[in-house]
Amino acid sequence: QKEVEQDPGPLSVPEGAIVSLNCTYSNSAFQYFMWYRQYSRKGPELLMYTYSSGNKEDGRFTAQVDKSSKYISLFIRDSQPSDSATYLCASNTGNQFYFGTGTSLTVIP
Amino acid sequence: DADVTQTPRNRITKTGKRIMLECSQTKGHDRMYWYRQDPGLGLRLIYYSFDVKDINKGEISDGYSVSRQAQAKFSLSLESAIPNQTALYFCATSAPRDSSGANVLTFGAGSRLTVL
Repeated sequence: QKEVEQDPGPLSVPEGAIVSLNCTYSNSAFQYFMWYRQYSRKGPELLMYTYSSGNKEDGRFTAQVDKSSKYISLFIRDSQPSDSATYLCASNTGNQFYFGTGTSLTVIP
Repeated sequence: DADVTQTPRNRITKTGKRIMLECSQTKGHDRMYWYRQDPGLGLRLIYYSFDVKDINKGEISDGYSVSRQAQAKFSLSLESAIPNQTALYFCATSAPRDSSGANVLTFGAGSRLTVL
């Protein structure tokens, strides 16, 4: 079992839709949870991260962690065509990072 | 200039050739990593280094070697390239902790390698 599992999609939504991207993880020692966004032919860039359980909001993006169910979510409100990218969830135990395989999102104008 | 610079960005080579991918960073981070990315498999760690004298194997180090020439430079070599090493390779850096306590990665733009 991979440390972090992610539905690869692809996911296609109309502009303005609310997008929900989800991951599960298996290691109870994980404390920081990250979301990276990767545009085509680019490297992943950190979108946001959360510590332990709870929500964190940054503009149209909300990251949510439920440690009781080992569930990580990223919500995108009022999605835009510029949000079209692959989104990777990740966590780490200090020395090692563990990534989901990424979910490909397309926002259709 | 980018914080993490990878060269070359694209490379096509033949089976059996030796290839070096280079990475340099201006972040001042001690920790550097090499990952490969394949469709459906995500990012897999090849090697990582926490300082110039520290080199560690990742989950898929076979067929690869690395050199940490300086704090800012970390190169990946394929001694004898084979077709299943065709992939997108990323260098990344991290500090032990940022001001909030998090340990996050900063990636380069990637090096696309094709082995024929």
